[in-house]
Amino acid sequence: TQLLEQSPQFLSIQEGENLTVYCNSSSVFSSLQWYRQEPGEGPVLLVTVVTGGEVKKLKRLTFQFGDARKDSSLHITAAQPGDTGLYLCAGVSTTGNQFYFGTGTSLTVIP
Amino acid sequence: GAGVSQTPSNKVTEKGKYVELRCDPISGHTALYWYRQSLGQGPEFLIYFQGTGAADDSGLPNDRFFAVRPEGSVSTLKIQRTERGDSAVYLCASSPPTDRGLSSGNTIYFGEGSWLTVV
Repeated sequence: TQLLEQSPQFLSIQEGENLTVYCNSSSVFSSLQWYRQEPGEGPVLLVTVVTGGEVKKLKRLTFQFGDARKDSSLHITAAQPGDTGLYLCAGVSTTGNQFYFGTGTSLTVIP
Repeated sequence: GAGVSQTPSNKVTEKGKYVELRCDPISGHTALYWYRQSLGQGPEFLIYFQGTGAADDSGLPNDRFFAVRPEGSVSTLKIQRTERGDSAVYLCASSPPTDRGLSSGNTIYFGEGSWLTVV
């Protein structure tokens, strides 16, 4: 059982398009992390958002933490084929030592 | 080592057999995690160690699964009487000790996983 639901589960878009991935939970987390995973590798941390309503930008990626710290979104502008991968959100417990992963969003960017 | 190391990288076993998967965390990391991941899905939490003790084993699916970390470094995930439904990638991750308020969350570093196939 996973505490965080991501949508969409699969996404296939053309290069240059924009997209948003959503991560939702009924639980409150102290912070939320986003990871990207490529085939045959473990997830790699992209960003951590801590404060409700916080927005962080990483080049063409924009991450937002919901005001109630239960949900988050990842927006990618002008997607590139190199953005292809599995995107995972993870809620962090109040102790900072427990990480609960979302159901995942598999993104394919077609050149 | 430089990163989290998992062995074997691939394991094919027959239904009913016993399997051990090994994780060698980053040196100095006190926390160690085991997750299970199916293709295209998010990692599912299994167990978390802080030092030698299992701080949370609530994710282990049943008593066929067991994990140890006897010296607070290397960990072994043990699966008895394997079933076809156990087929998945088993991911190990570790994180360094935290020395401040943890509201921002620690960073965990994953290995490449052990692909288990039960036939």
